[in-house]
Amino acid sequence: HLVESGGGLVKPGGSLRLSCAASGFTFSKAWMSWVRQAPGKGLEWVGRIKGKSDGGTIDYAAPVKGRFTISRDDSKNTLYLQMNSLKSEDTAVYYCTTDGIWYVRDDAYYGMHVWGQGTTVTVSS
Amino acid sequence: DIQMTQSPSSLSASVGDRVTITCRTSQTIGNYLNWYQQKPGKAPKLLIYAASSLQSGVPSRFSGSGSGTDFTLTISSLQPEDFATYYCQQSYSSPLFTFGQGTKLDIK
Repeated sequence: HLVESGGGLVKPGGSLRLSCAASGFTFSKAWMSWVRQAPGKGLEWVGRIKGKSDGGTIDYAAPVKGRFTISRDDSKNTLYLQMNSLKSEDTAVYYCTTDGIWYVRDDAYYGMHVWGQGTTVTVSS
Repeated sequence: DIQMTQSPSSLSASVGDRVTITCRTSQTIGNYLNWYQQKPGKAPKLLIYAASSLQSGVPSRFSGSGSGTDFTLTISSLQPEDFATYYCQQSYSSPLFTFGQGTKLDIK
């Protein structure tokens, strides 16, 4: 179960931090992603953080690299997305997801498994 | 970056119809292709991974096929609850996932 919070209205150039509270699974081992969806548009992967036991590697999509920071607090079972230097094109519903790994004939396949309900971020003056 | 192109962008069909949605990638991705269903105001739901493996709990009327650059999602007999938007996603360049632009399936 994933519950996002922290969305709202922010001016261009401003900052916002989103949170995603997790329950019902071993959060510390989970690989977690953020995915966003602009109004009336498709899905866009934002970034991912691995579990600490897998190195805690963080990767970002090009449009947010250098402006957004993903982090996690395993003691609180919470994922974060710190968004700085926000632009109008960052307006979207932001979903947190667990990254699933499935094995088919010894090959590993990745995808977004469990999704939160989303939180809305609006960047406007 | 791997580009994803879905077709059609929208589709009207009736309950009981057989429906096929196509996803084409800009480079070969093996079978690293997922399909999601999204209903209005809801989060997406994973239907198929590895191009043709059905996610647990997904009805068997959904099926996927393809490899390389061309993939299809087929719904064998449309049910009322299947009217939604469908997205393909490549996981070949994981974690740099990319999604198709979506196919909206509505009632004729």
